Amino acid sequence: ETGVTQSPTHLIKTRGQQVTLRCSSQSGHNTVSWYQQALGQGPQFIFQYYREEENGRGNFPPRFSGLQFPNYSSELNVNALELDDSALYLCASSSRDRGLGYTFGSGTRLTVV
Amino acid sequence: KNEVEQSPQNLTAQEGEFITINCSYSVGISALHWLQQHPGGGIVSLFMLSSGKKKHGRLIATINIQEKHSSLHITASHPRDSAVYICAVRGTGNNDMRFGAGTRLTVKP
Repeated sequence: ETGVTQSPTHLIKTRGQQVTLRCSSQSGHNTVSWYQQALGQGPQFIFQYYREEENGRGNFPPRFSGLQFPNYSSELNVNALELDDSALYLCASSSRDRGLGYTFGSGTRLTVV
Repeated sequence: KNEVEQSPQNLTAQEGEFITINCSYSVGISALHWLQQHPGGGIVSLFMLSSGKKKHGRLIATINIQEKHSSLHITASHPRDSAVYICAVRGTGNNDMRFGAGTRLTVKP
């Protein structure tokens, strides 16, 4: 049983650029949730994907978008990067159908300069 | 006021001490999670609770649904327990999790 893998682990981008972060879900899980964690704070919910459709969204602007693929892996895209987007981005997979707990990835640390 | 409040924010203990971290929440929940985050950033799920008590090794988690309160206990603490412990709740009918700000635990040898 594989866990959740996120890539890349670290990334530096310039303000105004676009970024794509990737997450593979754990085997048997069909739901992926994305979170943003600023330094010293708890994670904040960005959105969740269930069976390839967005299934809930937190208080993030439309320049944060996502995608889930048939194998349940997922991407988080952020356009027009701002300095405040610098954070640790975490994804977690779960199975809504089976009521399982969450498995988290190790995160992608994004720095916007 | 945050929907999930943890206390204390920071905790320093000597090896072997019994540790308690508290979590209070203000929303109806379907489940509460205790998570451990090490300096590298990765999060490990320790417990998922909807009622009662769970134990795993030296870790014990309890929840009181009526009082909207949960505690994480660590018995015989060890320096390798040093990490940030985060309480997170999943609301009823919601698909997202709300997180506390975390408790930074340092266990000294």
